[in-house]
Amino acid sequence: DVKVTQSSRYLVKRTGEKVFLECVQDMDHENMFWYRQDPGLGLRLIYFSYDVKMKEKGDIPEGYSVSREKKERFSLILESASTNQTSMYLCASSLRGRVYTEAFFGQGTRLTVV
Amino acid sequence: RKEVEQDPGPFNVPEGATVAFNCTYSNSASQSFFWYRQDCRKEPKLLMSVYSSGNEDGRFTAQLNRASQYISLLIRDSKLSDSATYLCVVNAGGTSYGKLTFGQGTILTVHP
Repeated sequence: DVKVTQSSRYLVKRTGEKVFLECVQDMDHENMFWYRQDPGLGLRLIYFSYDVKMKEKGDIPEGYSVSREKKERFSLILESASTNQTSMYLCASSLRGRVYTEAFFGQGTRLTVV
Repeated sequence: RKEVEQDPGPFNVPEGATVAFNCTYSNSASQSFFWYRQDCRKEPKLLMSVYSSGNEDGRFTAQLNRASQYISLLIRDSKLSDSATYLCVVNAGGTSYGKLTFGQGTILTVHP
């Protein structure tokens, strides 16, 4: 059974804290993604990685950074959390090299910044 | 203009109804297309891919019109269990090969 696992389901952090969201996949996928999902806005891509140490900015990268030191792990970092980063964060992975490739999602991390 | 646009609905239909969702995309170089389904408080999951020739999976039919940059999903004989948010997804291709862009989703509620 394929799996994408996010380290926390719920997180509450204070404004200004550095926050790490971790994602691990066990499918040997090259592509990994971080999205945030907000009501009425759908899923918006924050960062995308297509290989170890490789990354591309998505549509809303401001205030975020990422790390991909190992193929199976993709971390999202909020350098200084702000209240407007309160959201549901979803990690996904997919195979590279296929035009039609399914993305598998983790269960999501609901982050609240107070 | 958003890269991928959907009518957010909500669509409220009775069981047995036929319902259609539409989606447009702005990047003509986009390579592949999908519909995902997201249940309340769950992660999105692939419903079906959308091929140029159109494709069908049981009660679900997906169509792609590359000239108009338009994707559709038709659900026939709606079931209560079809209630969910339906997400149109586009693979950008090109230098961003593999990058998936989502529409904002269309909410469907099927009632008895």
